[in-house]
Amino acid sequence: AQRVTQPEKLLSVFKGAPVELKCNYSYSGSPELFWYVQYSRQRLQLLLRHISRESIKGFTADLNKGETSFHLKKPFAQEEDSAMYYCALIGSGNFNKFYFGSGTKLNVKP
Amino acid sequence: DSGVTQTPKHLITATGQRVTLRCSPRSGDLSVYWYQQSLDQGLQFLIQYYNGEERAKGNILERFSAQQFPDLHSELNLSSLELGDSALYFCASSVDSKSGANVLTFGAGSRLTVL
Repeated sequence: AQRVTQPEKLLSVFKGAPVELKCNYSYSGSPELFWYVQYSRQRLQLLLRHISRESIKGFTADLNKGETSFHLKKPFAQEEDSAMYYCALIGSGNFNKFYFGSGTKLNVKP
Repeated sequence: DSGVTQTPKHLITATGQRVTLRCSPRSGDLSVYWYQQSLDQGLQFLIQYYNGEERAKGNILERFSAQQFPDLHSELNLSSLELGDSALYFCASSVDSKSGANVLTFGAGSRLTVL
């Protein structure tokens, strides 16, 4: 069955420290992976997607098919990165079903 | 605004009542998704519609129902409300294309408080 797992509900780091938000998935085909972010009092918005292979706001995520992971990383966290982060996948051949993880709240302390 | 529009933004009602949440998808998007976001449970998928037809069902209670109309707007009906139904309800839309350009665009949400 398709599943997206974010093992950490809350992640607290100090400003300037590296941050890694973990995401593991279970899918039998070739999924497309996303990270969505929800800042305080704002709507969820797309942060990045693996097929774009881009860096957004200093964040990167690499799809590791061997480990079925799509961890989100940033070398130096900023206070404005504090938000709720959701990992999501959409399956190939099932292109209209999005599966979300339970989310990780990132708290960047000054 | 060509984004996803949800109404009402806030709604306070009593247990046992019935409410309807409305969603207008982004222009050109055929798929509409409904999600429930509670304090401790993250984002829970409720239901998805594509071009007027139900496409997928998630953890949606029998007291809840939804539909998508010919103009593609969608409504989520919540009945016999309980205290535990208090949550933020998000609508999202996508173009739903095989081209791979599938991105969910979210609305601002409707915050439901059941007293």
